[in-house]
Amino acid sequence: ETGVTQTPRHLVMGMTNKKSLKCEQHLGHNAMYWYKQSAKKPLELMFVYSLEERVENNSVPSRFSPECPNSSHLFLHLHTLQPEDSALYLCASSPTFALYYEQYFGPGTRLTVT
Amino acid sequence: ILNVEQSPQSLHVQEGDSTNFTCSFPSSNFYALHWYRWETAKSPEALFVMTLNGDEKKKGRISATLNTKEGYSYLYIKGSQPEDSATYLCAPVAGNTGKLIFGQGTTLQVKP
Repeated sequence: ETGVTQTPRHLVMGMTNKKSLKCEQHLGHNAMYWYKQSAKKPLELMFVYSLEERVENNSVPSRFSPECPNSSHLFLHLHTLQPEDSALYLCASSPTFALYYEQYFGPGTRLTVT
Repeated sequence: ILNVEQSPQSLHVQEGDSTNFTCSFPSSNFYALHWYRWETAKSPEALFVMTLNGDEKKKGRISATLNTKEGYSYLYIKGSQPEDSATYLCAPVAGNTGKLIFGQGTTLQVKP
């Protein structure tokens, strides 16, 4: 248990669907992150939030829309995805948005787009 | 954009063997380097965050060294156990952004 939970753990959606991924951290951290791992590729940063403000948007297509309503919760809203968006989506948190703190990861959501 | 190389890509060892793997990264603009361990079906777990040239960190049988001038870090596991089987990821920090750039990882399989 890392103190970071993600729901759902598995999701299958059609290209016309709208769905959301949820992340919650119980660690009192102020920074939260979305990562994507596609098959045979390294973990890739998508978004960073610090104190509920987005500080990094790593050239992610607009069909992915993050939301951070408070420092404990992070959402990733998905709409009109493509099959190539099928991947493992990981959420992480750290005490602050700083270089020297380790990140705590959730277990991930395995997304399949059909 | 940082180019992070981890080698070997995969490794099979017998229980009790000691092993090591490498993470290579551009040495310019270095800020920090993270090591994570990722067991199948679990969350990645932080092992070390290293910042200074010559840093050596240790956690149980696992240790790591850092050479920022030549751009590499080594991870050592002494007396490997089956529970050490996992993918080990290194992630240098890209500039002053707090953005981790992950390598592909080294997947270790320890046979009993």
